[in-house]
Amino acid sequence: KAGVTQTPRYLIKTRGQQVTLSCSPISGHRSVSWYQQTPGQGLQFLFEYFSETQRNKGNFPGRFSGRQFSNSRSEMNVSTLELGDSALYLCASSRGTDNEQFFGPGTRLTVL
Amino acid sequence: KQEVTQIPAALSVPEGENLVLNCSFTDSAIYNLQWFRQDPGKGLTSLLLIQSSQREQTSGRLNASLDKSSGRSTLYIAASQPGDSATYLCAVYRGTSYGKLTFGQGTILTVHP
Repeated sequence: KAGVTQTPRYLIKTRGQQVTLSCSPISGHRSVSWYQQTPGQGLQFLFEYFSETQRNKGNFPGRFSGRQFSNSRSEMNVSTLELGDSALYLCASSRGTDNEQFFGPGTRLTVL
Repeated sequence: KQEVTQIPAALSVPEGENLVLNCSFTDSAIYNLQWFRQDPGKGLTSLLLIQSSQREQTSGRLNASLDKSSGRSTLYIAASQPGDSATYLCAVYRGTSYGKLTFGQGTILTVHP
């Protein structure tokens, strides 16, 4: 069974640009969660989608947004990039019942 | 607000030792707790999931226990190997907060030959 995949794996952007990251969950998983990981703040929850609906959102500014498609694939978008947005962005999928989460390899975003 | 603390922050042991990693959380109203390992620059690998009604889970050389009333979990690694070197993270899930895992800062484990 294929695991969670994320594209792209690495991304370099400049301040003010916007970026879109993609996540394909494990087949049959309907819940996708997104996290930001930085050395200073650790892993922080961004948002969760289930059946194309955002059910939960973390404490991040509105520049961070996401969506989920009917095949459960998810994208997150960050607009007007800031230096502090440099991080490893991880997505995780689960069946949506017991919430056991399985993570992808992450997208390393560097903002210059 | 749920807070998760992991002790120690770093641990260095010789190969073959049995070791214990600790995780504590402030809000005992959790649905489950999950242990992960993370290799440098990589994603998280799920090790064990313990439901709130369970006391422990085992997988190979790993054993995780959960004491919900005291807000504590431990991960026991038997006969450690250099390949166990990684950062170990615990995360708690509150069933009413969809999809949100609250993570500790992790324990960096180094097992030297």
